[in-house]
Amino acid sequence: DAGVIQSPRHEVTEMGQEVTLRCKPISGHNSLFWYRQTMMRGLELLIYFNNNVPIDDSGMPEDRFSAKMPNASFSTLKIQPSEPRDSAVYFCASSLGQGEREQYFGPGTRLTVT
Amino acid sequence: AQSVTQPDIHITVSEGASLELRCNYSYGATPYLFWYVQSPGQGLQLLLKYFSGDTLVQGIKGFEAEFKRSQSSFNLRKPSVHWSDAAEYFCAVTPITGGGNKLTFGTGTQLKVEL
Repeated sequence: DAGVIQSPRHEVTEMGQEVTLRCKPISGHNSLFWYRQTMMRGLELLIYFNNNVPIDDSGMPEDRFSAKMPNASFSTLKIQPSEPRDSAVYFCASSLGQGEREQYFGPGTRLTVT
Repeated sequence: AQSVTQPDIHITVSEGASLELRCNYSYGATPYLFWYVQSPGQGLQLLLKYFSGDTLVQGIKGFEAEFKRSQSSFNLRKPSVHWSDAAEYFCAVTPITGGGNKLTFGTGTQLKVEL
């Protein structure tokens, strides 16, 4: 089992640029979660999907953030335009959903916006 | 609204000493309970979970946790800490029904191990 796969692991970009983070959940999992982690705010849930459908995006900071899940094995989190305050580690996690509630986390993407 | 409290932001223990990390939750009913560990530069790894049954659950890396309904607590313990246990530890909960599989996390406890 490869676990949750995220790419890239590190991203450095300039303010105003578009950033796309990618996630491949564990095969067979039908729930996918995007989190952001910073020193100031800790771990925040941004959005989650069940069966590829966004269920709760109340944690998405603003319209600059968008997330998609076109199929069961792929999701993206896009920031356009990026700002320095978006610098954080972004985690993707997946779970089986029904019954099993534990989430399995990817290694994260460390984003730095200069 | 549900909440999870980890009252200790930082804890320092000597290698070989015992460890207890505290977690209290506020919920309408007993939720599912989890402990995760995050090593520097890594994602969160599940240590153990409690769904029902025996209130003392065993996890990986020699950790265990005890669910106490009367105290709304789910404290994490380890009899003898190793230097490699230095990490941040998160308690998390989710409702047994509803909740949409969302986890509510505590703010974390940073563990430092002195050699």
